[in-house]
Amino acid sequence: DIQMTQSPSFVSASVGDRVTITCRASRDISTWLAWYQQKPGKAPKLLIYGASTLQSGVPSRFSGSGSGTDFTLTISSLQPEDFATYYCQQANSFPPFTFGPGTKVDCK
Amino acid sequence: QVQLQESGPGLVKPSETLSLTCTVSGGFINSFYWSWIRQSPGEGLEWIGYISDRGSTNYNPSLRSRLTLSVDTSNNQFSLKLSSVTAADTAVYYCARDLITFGVRHWFDPWGQGHLVTVSS
Repeated sequence: DIQMTQSPSFVSASVGDRVTITCRASRDISTWLAWYQQKPGKAPKLLIYGASTLQSGVPSRFSGSGSGTDFTLTISSLQPEDFATYYCQQANSFPPFTFGPGTKVDCK
Repeated sequence: QVQLQESGPGLVKPSETLSLTCTVSGGFINSFYWSWIRQSPGEGLEWIGYISDRGSTNYNPSLRSRLTLSVDTSNNQFSLKLSSVTAADTAVYYCARDLITFGVRHWFDPWGQGHLVTVSS
């Protein structure tokens, strides 16, 4: 299985801050990576797939980049509704599809 | 807009079979692939498996020996059965639609609201 790691595990940030989250795959996954946002008590929501393609309806302050083993999710200007946990997911090698452990973005 | 809703027992005894159904509304189950994903505090998000509208399946190898996915296109539903459950199977179970790009790359959107299943005697 491809193992996914994320850093940091927690981010404390304020509204308006630029936030960057990193995801690393245990081997090359090309650009076959997605990012999800999950709020407490809710299901994850797809934000980005193919490493950098924004899902329909997702605000443009979210962006993704990377290829191979290292990827980043950037929120250019954090909004109140962005406080949540973010997960990455690889779709290069399956079964199984695998997820990262999550990064929680908290209010400073 | 497609919506998914999981249903089934919230409590299952150890060694018994966990059964869940996902009902799709606002769209048809045809021409799509559908996944089950679970989330437990200790294990994070775990992809369980997917099924196509025609019944083609792909299972997580770690669950394959205990897992059966099925689809009922006439009722716009798909189902999960996981046998011989233990406390380690306690989780929130989500159903989701697969968004497939380049023919083989699966992403998950949208998801159901999730259904907590506790395995306990």
